[in-house]
Amino acid sequence: DAGITQSPRHKVTETGTPVTLRCHQTENHRYMYWYRQDPGHGLRLIHYSYGVKDTDKGEVSDGYSVSRSKTEDFLLTLESATSSQTSVYFCAISEASGGIQETQYFGPGTRLLVL
Amino acid sequence: GDSVTQMEGPVTLSEEAFLTINCTYTATGYPSLFWYVQYPGEGLQLLLKATKADDKGSNKGFEATYRKETTSFHLEKGSVQVSDSAVYFCALSVAGSARQLTFGSGTQLTVLP
Repeated sequence: DAGITQSPRHKVTETGTPVTLRCHQTENHRYMYWYRQDPGHGLRLIHYSYGVKDTDKGEVSDGYSVSRSKTEDFLLTLESATSSQTSVYFCAISEASGGIQETQYFGPGTRLLVL
Repeated sequence: GDSVTQMEGPVTLSEEAFLTINCTYTATGYPSLFWYVQYPGEGLQLLLKATKADDKGSNKGFEATYRKETTSFHLEKGSVQVSDSAVYFCALSVAGSARQLTFGSGTQLTVLP
């Protein structure tokens, strides 16, 4: 299994509070991703990173920010949590070479409940 | 934009039955195609992939063939087991700066003994 950990694994918070989720990898992969999983929607990309300090928005980035100050860590922040951000959050990593998509490896997920 | 349409679930089968989960896609360019599996309480694991037309991906008895003419990547298994019960996701990626995955909505499979 790829070395990906997410913390915390479960969190309950209140509307309006800031929340930071952490993804840590030991594989030294260049690309890191944050997805959210909701019933009926599969997984949707929030933000991704293609290197230290290099990030970009995904499909559902509103209300989220990210930072990557080290290769191994990718942080997802909800500046002011809302109930619509209740979800399961997955981090993924990948490497890329040539013209072939490398496999994305997923972390175990963080279950977030915003009350 | 790119999209993936998956067969609606849930799907319930008896052990040793034949499984098909349909997946069709819309993409600009030439995508790579994937099937991921998610067991209860876990993250997603890659099940199989195909990177060009007519390629067949296979793993653990599952197969899927990249059909460019029908823009499909249907997942099949000849004889399912109780341990195959999981959620299956079809996904694609198109060459780009970070090769993001676009997922289908997932299909819940339950196999009964």
